[in-house]
Amino acid sequence: NAGVMQNPRHLVRRRGQEARLRCSPMKGHSHVYWYRQLPEEGLKFMVYLQKENIIDESGMPKERFSAEFPKEGPSILRIQQVVRGDSAAYFCASSPILDEAHKLFFGSGTQLSVL
Amino acid sequence: QKEVEQDPGPLSVPEGAIVSLNCTYSNSAFQYFMWYRQYSRKGPELLMYTYSSGNKEDGRFTAQVDKSSKYISLFIRDSQPSDSATYLCAMMQGGSEKLVFGKGTKLTVNP
Repeated sequence: NAGVMQNPRHLVRRRGQEARLRCSPMKGHSHVYWYRQLPEEGLKFMVYLQKENIIDESGMPKERFSAEFPKEGPSILRIQQVVRGDSAAYFCASSPILDEAHKLFFGSGTQLSVL
Repeated sequence: QKEVEQDPGPLSVPEGAIVSLNCTYSNSAFQYFMWYRQYSRKGPELLMYTYSSGNKEDGRFTAQVDKSSKYISLFIRDSQPSDSATYLCAMMQGGSEKLVFGKGTKLTVNP
């Protein structure tokens, strides 16, 4: 049973480019969460999605960031016009049902570097 | 005041030592308390979770929650070099889906 799969593992972008980060949850999991880990900082919640629905995006920056979890395919975190401050590790996590956010399974993350 | 405070260490101990890791918090609405282990360049892995106050034991690991003091602890007995990692505490309000993490404590267990 594969765990939470994230790709790419490393992504290098120049300032102003777009970054797309993908996350496939564990099999049978329909709840996806994105967290960001900045250097010297703890993990910060960004967004919580269910299939075709954004449930809570209170941790997402107001501009340039968007997330989706379509009916088919992986969840995508999209960052437009990246800036150096977006450099961080982005982690996706999943849970099987509602009210299980205290038992999240995390992927290995995507390390985004903005030049 | 940050919602969750965790001493980043680093903490270095000899193999076989008892390790104590701690976090304090300010939000009295937190009801779920988790400890994650994160190896270098990997995602966090859930070690234990506790609902409300009390103790929970799993093998060499014991988690304690003292809600009156807003203080949680993780004890590792008979520590092994394979326990070398960063340990993250995380907390969540009931009815919420958002975890609030500490910054993590980097632990090294020396053979």
